[in-house]
Amino acid sequence: GAGVSQSPRYKVAKRGQDVALRCDPISGHVSLFWYQQALGQGPEFLTYFQNEAQLDKSGLPSDRFFAERPEGSVSTLKIQRTQQEDSAVYLCASSLRRRNNSPLHFGNGTRLTVT
Amino acid sequence: SQQGEEDPQALSIQEGENATMNCSYKTSINNLQWYRQNSGRGLVHLILIRSNEREKHSGRLRVTLDTSKKSSSLLITASRAADTASYFCATDGQAGTALIFGKGTTLSVSS
Repeated sequence: GAGVSQSPRYKVAKRGQDVALRCDPISGHVSLFWYQQALGQGPEFLTYFQNEAQLDKSGLPSDRFFAERPEGSVSTLKIQRTQQEDSAVYLCASSLRRRNNSPLHFGNGTRLTVT
Repeated sequence: SQQGEEDPQALSIQEGENATMNCSYKTSINNLQWYRQNSGRGLVHLILIRSNEREKHSGRLRVTLDTSKKSSSLLITASRAADTASYFCATDGQAGTALIFGKGTTLSVSS
């Protein structure tokens, strides 16, 4: 079956632009996570959804970051007024069950470059 | 913040040799997971070990967990060039929220 799909694969934005990153999780997966990965580092948690409910957004670095999953399936991570420090790979992951009780299935990420 | 710390940061070995990576963490956990990431790709789940387990095997992978030392190790036996990747351990966060990943070990296997 299809895995987690993320689009676009690459995004170049000028500083100050808004961007929207899309994640299509595996069908039927309850949990959805967004992570940010800087070059040479491990993924850092941003936010977590259980179905359509955003249960944890403690990792979002600022109020410029916003995520939604309105129908409990596709999710969008929006970054407003992008800054150079936002340059990173944004990874989406889904899992069949709640929170961290089952393995995460990751997409290949969106590489965001802010110039 | 990152809960797990992998050691070493980088490891270079020859095909056929064994590779051992270690992970230390700070707080109590329910389970610990290991993931692999090939360059430019997402992470792939390798193995999950629960806090009441001490050792687990999957193919050429062997994972140990010592909760008293808050550490885990991943052993890859008879390594292949295709094992070249970064390896991350991941644990529950303090509030039992999302998985927290370490900085990873970059493994290079040459033929």
